[in-house]
Amino acid sequence: LAKTTQPISMDSYEGQEVNITCSHNNIATNDYITWYQQFPSQGPRFIIQGYKTKVTNEVASLFIPADRKSSTLSLPRVSLSDTAVYYCLVGLIYSGYALNFGKGTSLLVTP
Amino acid sequence: GAVVSQHPSWVICKSGTSVKIECRSLDFQATTMFWYRQFPKQSLMLMATSNEGSKATYEQGVEKDKFLINHASLTLSTLTVTSAHPEDSSFYICSATSTDTQYFGPGTRLTVL
Repeated sequence: LAKTTQPISMDSYEGQEVNITCSHNNIATNDYITWYQQFPSQGPRFIIQGYKTKVTNEVASLFIPADRKSSTLSLPRVSLSDTAVYYCLVGLIYSGYALNFGKGTSLLVTP
Repeated sequence: GAVVSQHPSWVICKSGTSVKIECRSLDFQATTMFWYRQFPKQSLMLMATSNEGSKATYEQGVEKDKFLINHASLTLSTLTVTSAHPEDSSFYICSATSTDTQYFGPGTRLTVL
């Protein structure tokens, strides 16, 4: 399974754009990149998933360069409620395949 | 997105007793579900893979006789912590895949006194 490396923590002010980069140098050809958000005492919540280039949904964007050895989760105009731990996971996304969690990035948003 | 539920959301038990945690996929069927454990300030650790109609697959270091997993139907997997001890106190989370996305339950907080 591909190992991921993310910053341990990040700070931001409300209203700013936050970019969290994840390094995954040994990503396999069929691996996808998935980001989850977790609040204390809750299960992880799916944010976004992609294979290459750029993916955008109503809450975030995911940028994946051509070599796919890294990815960047972009959160536009964060609010206090975006304070959480964000996990970058790399692996097969099909039924039957587990995802292994790294340490994640603890994002703190302040007024 | 798909919904995975867990019951109970929290449980407190005495040392030596057994506790059962249920994981249900509410709007989809899952032949495979996963069980994770999360200690305070740590990441999720995969414990086992629950397979409908067959034996579960446990990760290295996880005692299969202590953490009994039953996947009796395509929408239900149960994790039973047998003879629980204080060191088993943790946050247990299950997950299942629907349309190529893994969805997680809300978690169950187990406290063993």
